[in-house]
Amino acid sequence: QKEVEQDPGPLSVPEGAIVSLNCTYSNSAFQYFMWYRQYSRKGPELLMYTYSSGNKEDGRFTAQVDKSSKYISLFIRDSQPSDSATYLCAMSPYRFGNEKLTFGTGTRLTIIP
Amino acid sequence: GAVVSQHPSRVICKSGTSVKIECRSLDFQATTMFWYRQFPKQSLMLMATSNEGSKATYEQGVEKDKFLINHASLTLSTLTVTSAHPEDSSFYICSAREQATNYGYTFGSGTRLTVV
Repeated sequence: QKEVEQDPGPLSVPEGAIVSLNCTYSNSAFQYFMWYRQYSRKGPELLMYTYSSGNKEDGRFTAQVDKSSKYISLFIRDSQPSDSATYLCAMSPYRFGNEKLTFGTGTRLTIIP
Repeated sequence: GAVVSQHPSRVICKSGTSVKIECRSLDFQATTMFWYRQFPKQSLMLMATSNEGSKATYEQGVEKDKFLINHASLTLSTLTVTSAHPEDSSFYICSAREQATNYGYTFGSGTRLTVV
């Protein structure tokens, strides 16, 4: 079993829909959670980061963490064609420091105009 | 937020030659940088952890003599692909994190290497 599981998709939704992206993990030591967006042939761009259970909102994006279920989600409201990208979840046991991240496989998302 | 600059963005080289990729933290000091490799439609694969002033730590299966890493300053790490072969063609990405903040890890824009 992989430490982090993420549905690779691809996922296609119409413009304006709410998108839900999810990751599950098995290592209870993970305390720090990130979501990255990667456009084709570009480096990943940090979207959200959080280190506690609950919700964190930033514009159209909401990150949700449920440590008891070892489950994290990223919600995108009012999805736009420009949101079409691959979304990667990433985790670390530490809030600070320079430990390597553990990534999900990424979900390819397409927003249909 | 922190900015990581990676150069070049794209390089084509002949088999048997060496290629150097630079990764710079522009507005912060990075004692640690990470080098990843990414194949098409796949996730990031960590190759090595680059530590300023000391030897890099390579992941299992990564040839340290082929992928030379130098982290000579707090803002610069380099990855040199030596004696490149077509199978080394890939997308290479570096990452760093501003020390003592809880900001996430920042990635460079990546380098697409094509060995012909």
